[in-house]
Amino acid sequence: DAGVIQSPRHEVTEMGQEVTLRCKPISGHDYLFWYRQTMMRGLELLIYFNNNVPIDDSGMPEDRFSAKMPNASFSTLKIQPSEPRDSAVYFCASSFPGTGFGRNTEAFFGQGTRLTVV
Amino acid sequence: KQEVTQIPAALSVPEGENLVLNCSFTDSAIYNLQWFRQDPGKGLTSLLLIQSSQREQTSGRLNASLDKSSGRSTLYIAASQPGDSATYLCAVRGAGGTSYGKLTFGQGTILTVHP
Repeated sequence: DAGVIQSPRHEVTEMGQEVTLRCKPISGHDYLFWYRQTMMRGLELLIYFNNNVPIDDSGMPEDRFSAKMPNASFSTLKIQPSEPRDSAVYFCASSFPGTGFGRNTEAFFGQGTRLTVV
Repeated sequence: KQEVTQIPAALSVPEGENLVLNCSFTDSAIYNLQWFRQDPGKGLTSLLLIQSSQREQTSGRLNASLDKSSGRSTLYIAASQPGDSATYLCAVRGAGGTSYGKLTFGQGTILTVHP
């Protein structure tokens, strides 16, 4: 497996524009996590899914952020409208359930999308 | 709500020293604890995963221990090298309540090993 794949790697956009970040998890993983990383706040969990269903979106900063997982192999994080304070690195991660059932329960991360809103 | 704390926030040592990085968590209802490494401008690389039923895991010069009842984990790095310089993060996987399935991170320890 190629690992968790995120696109784009870098995104520069103007304030007010819509931004869509994409993630392809590792095949077979049931859990998918979206994080945001900044120097000031570190790694923040935005939302996570289990079997394509959002479990906890309490970390989504405001209504401008939305996330979907239409199928087991694809997820999007959308920001509309974008603001300069949204500039950060956004990571996607996937894993099997913590119970494991004999499988490796490590979480694996993508390389991230560096978002700059000017 | 699960909270994860890492101490120290930063550490600078000469090459060859043995190091201990600390991680503590407030809710002992966890499935596992995972240590990651992050190089500047890069993603997170998994180093070690300890299941809640385990006490320690080893990989090369790295050894991680877990005391679930007291909410503590340590990452031991033997004979440190300049190539070990990075940010080290610990994360716990929740097993109960509102943290079920959630992967919660500490703020990380920035390690610098100088020649």
